[in-house]
Amino acid sequence: AQSVAQPEDQVNVAEGNPLTVKCTYSVSGNPYLFWYVQYPNRGLQFLLKYITGDNLVKGSYGFEAEFNKSQTSFHLKKPSALVSDSALYFCAVRGNNDMRFGAGTRLTVKP
Amino acid sequence: DGGITQSPKYLFRKEGQNVTLSCEQNLNHDAMYWYRQDPGQGLRLIYYSQIVNDFQKGDIAEGYSVSREKKESFPLTVTSAQKNPTAFYLCASSPTPRGSGNRYVETQYFGPGTRLLVL
Repeated sequence: AQSVAQPEDQVNVAEGNPLTVKCTYSVSGNPYLFWYVQYPNRGLQFLLKYITGDNLVKGSYGFEAEFNKSQTSFHLKKPSALVSDSALYFCAVRGNNDMRFGAGTRLTVKP
Repeated sequence: DGGITQSPKYLFRKEGQNVTLSCEQNLNHDAMYWYRQDPGQGLRLIYYSQIVNDFQKGDIAEGYSVSREKKESFPLTVTSAQKNPTAFYLCASSPTPRGSGNRYVETQYFGPGTRLLVL
């Protein structure tokens, strides 16, 4: 069965510093991996996805994610964090008929 | 939140009452999904539908029912059998795959959610 894990419930960074939100996956077959962001009382917004090709995927709002097959990881990154990046981030893997989500990581960027 | 709307934004349920959450999309997507979000648990799949007049149970379908009479609409009913309905409910849809092997790569797009509270 497909699954993802987000090992950190909370990540705190200072504005202007680089940020990383971690995700590891477990799949049978090819991994199709996604990152979403959720602001309070809102739906999930799609950030980026990895299907195939380059291991570094660029997405919305300056975010990127690095696919690492040997470490079965798909960490979300941004070179310089903004206070407005503070939100709940979900990693997900596409299954046969649905999407499997991690528990989420709350990112707080402090001024 | 794109072309997916959910209503109402907040819904209150009384003991023993069935309530229906609306989900409408104008994206011409074939597939639609319902998820439940509880704090610290991520999203869990309730029901999904790949095509009109067909739907399948997800991981936590007990106490819920759905219908898919139109492509644009996928309402979710929370029945009185659902003993712990307080949660944030999210509807999603995904595009029609291009080619039979591409279903797994399609992105799901989410509505703004409905928060269900029990009185």
